[in-house]
Amino acid sequence: DVKVTQSSRYLVKRTGEKVFLECVQDMDHENMFWYRQDPGLGLRLIYFSYDVKMKEKGDIPEGYSVSREKKERFSLILESASTNQTSMYLCASSLVGSPINSPLHFGNGTRLTVT
Amino acid sequence: GQQVMQIPQYQHVQEGEDFTTYCNSSTTLSNIQWYKQRPGGHPVFLIQLVKSGEVKKQKRLTFQFGEAKKNSSLHITATQTTDVGTYFCAGAQGGSEKLVFGKGTKLTVNP
Repeated sequence: DVKVTQSSRYLVKRTGEKVFLECVQDMDHENMFWYRQDPGLGLRLIYFSYDVKMKEKGDIPEGYSVSREKKERFSLILESASTNQTSMYLCASSLVGSPINSPLHFGNGTRLTVT
Repeated sequence: GQQVMQIPQYQHVQEGEDFTTYCNSSTTLSNIQWYKQRPGGHPVFLIQLVKSGEVKKQKRLTFQFGEAKKNSSLHITATQTTDVGTYFCAGAQGGSEKLVFGKGTKLTVNP
């Protein structure tokens, strides 16, 4: 069974802090994704990566960056956290090929609060 | 931006009643995926539909993809309390390499 592990379940940070959210998958998946989930807005794609060192902007990349130095790890970085980035962050991976054709396997999420 | 509209936003049913959620897109979708998120949990993949007019069943769940590949539905027959959760559709529009999620339908089931 695919396991997608996010480093923290809950995180509280102050405005202006640099925040790192880490995600690791154990099934050699090519594609990895970062989504944020907000009530009434569903899941919105921040960034995705289809290979090591590759990244593509999603629908809401502003204020975020990502890093994929190893195949199994995909990091989301908030350069200067703001209160409007308070949200549930979900990491996902999918096996190979087109990012739209493979099932997504999600981690348990990181609930980030920025005060 | 790209949008996949999902209705209704909420649905409350008595146990044993049927439930349907609908997804609509203004443009043709390459495929449609459905996910279920239990309260406090993360989305879990249910199924993918690719072909025009495709119908797939999983026990009490029936998934349909419209002939024009612009809409899809998930129907649950005789709901049970274990069906509680939020159901999301996700599709890729117009050759895009990005899945766009609907906002989800939150299902509650009264025993």
